[in-house]
Amino acid sequence: KNQVEQSPQSLIILEGKNCTLQCNYTVSPFSNLRWYKQDTGRGPVSLTIMTFSENTKSNGRYTATLDADTKQSSLHITASQLSDSASYICVVSEIVAGGSYIPTFGRGTSLIVHP
Amino acid sequence: EAGVTQFPSHSVIEKGQTVTLRCDPISGHDNLYWYRRVMGKEIKFLLHFVKESKQDESGMPNNRFLAERTGGTYSTLKVQPAELEDSGVYFCASSQGFLGSEAFFGQGTRLTVV
Repeated sequence: KNQVEQSPQSLIILEGKNCTLQCNYTVSPFSNLRWYKQDTGRGPVSLTIMTFSENTKSNGRYTATLDADTKQSSLHITASQLSDSASYICVVSEIVAGGSYIPTFGRGTSLIVHP
Repeated sequence: EAGVTQFPSHSVIEKGQTVTLRCDPISGHDNLYWYRRVMGKEIKFLLHFVKESKQDESGMPNNRFLAERTGGTYSTLKVQPAELEDSGVYFCASSQGFLGSEAFFGQGTRLTVV
């Protein structure tokens, strides 16, 4: 069964510090991997998307990496801000018969940035 | 194009009552997902529909939760009877299912059981 495991479950850091969130998956055949940010009281919003051939993708202070061989991804947040406090969700998609694909959602990492 | 819409935005009910949440996915999206975020915890997957069929319901906490998607359009999530621990925000997401398509989330329904 396809699985997406995220770690840590929760993380507390001080404002201005960097942090890295991890995502391991067993989804196959792999199509793409997305990181979502979900603010409290809002729906998740896509941060980055990477396909098999991409190793790194940046979006401002967010940098996602992908190692398709080890089936691991990370989301690095640089110089954290209070507004980074949110839940970060890793979503990995597989290609299924007929050319469509099904995303498998991780359970998310809750990040809290303290002043 | 309208996004994923959820109704109601907020619901306060007493323990033991029944509540039904509704999700209208983006038109044409075959995949529909329900998630919830219980107070102070991470988002947790509940179930996944492909059209009207339940593809994966491994995240449903117990038999007090019933999800339906008649006709493969909108979906409802009924909680009966509601318990205090059911309080949280319930999110719905939909995706087209084609290569590269993104799952779009609704704003969520905040459920409070008192």
